[in-house]
Amino acid sequence: SQTIHQWPATLVQPVGSPLSLECTVEGTSNPNLYWYRQAAGRGLQLLFYSVGIGQISSEVPQNLSASRPQDRQFILSSKKLLLSDSGFYLCAWSAGLYLRYGYTFGSGTRLTVV
Amino acid sequence: SQQGEEDPQALSIQEGENATMNCSYKTSINNLQWYRQNSGRGLVHLILIRSNEREKHSGRLRVTLDTSKKSSSLLITASRAADTASYFCATDANSGGYQKVTFGTGTKLQVIP
Repeated sequence: SQTIHQWPATLVQPVGSPLSLECTVEGTSNPNLYWYRQAAGRGLQLLFYSVGIGQISSEVPQNLSASRPQDRQFILSSKKLLLSDSGFYLCAWSAGLYLRYGYTFGSGTRLTVV
Repeated sequence: SQQGEEDPQALSIQEGENATMNCSYKTSINNLQWYRQNSGRGLVHLILIRSNEREKHSGRLRVTLDTSKKSSSLLITASRAADTASYFCATDANSGGYQKVTFGTGTKLQVIP
């Protein structure tokens, strides 16, 4: 069966420090991968999605970047964190871009920038 | 406002009562899906309903879709304390030649034992 792993679960980082969040998927090949951010009490905002190795689409301009070095690995990064980068980050995968393929989410990373 | 908006934003009910949450959207959609999120956790898929369907059931969950009103509702019958969570609707729609999936802002449900 397919599983998705996301780590770390919580992270406290100082302003100006770098960031690297990792997400890996097991049990499937060539998944569509997504990074979402959820502000407190809000819905999910799509940050990046990837349909293949090295293919990254950005939905919103921001201080973050994403990379997909391997088929089932998706990394969210920043060179210098801002206070506004605090939030709950969720990785997800699907077999296709349509909802009918089903989106499976990781357990999330709570990032606090201090 | 967002493509998907749920109301109410928060709902508090007694265990055993039914809970109804609504989702409205703006553009034509292909599919609508309801998700549940326990506090501080990822989202879990509940039910998918396609644009040509009007109602779907899964256990104590009932989802309806009214494409003429661009709205959907999620009914949880005989609620339990364990149903306490936030519930989100998500829609996928054609946008600029590709599929765009949008999540609503969610309804926070509290079921009081």
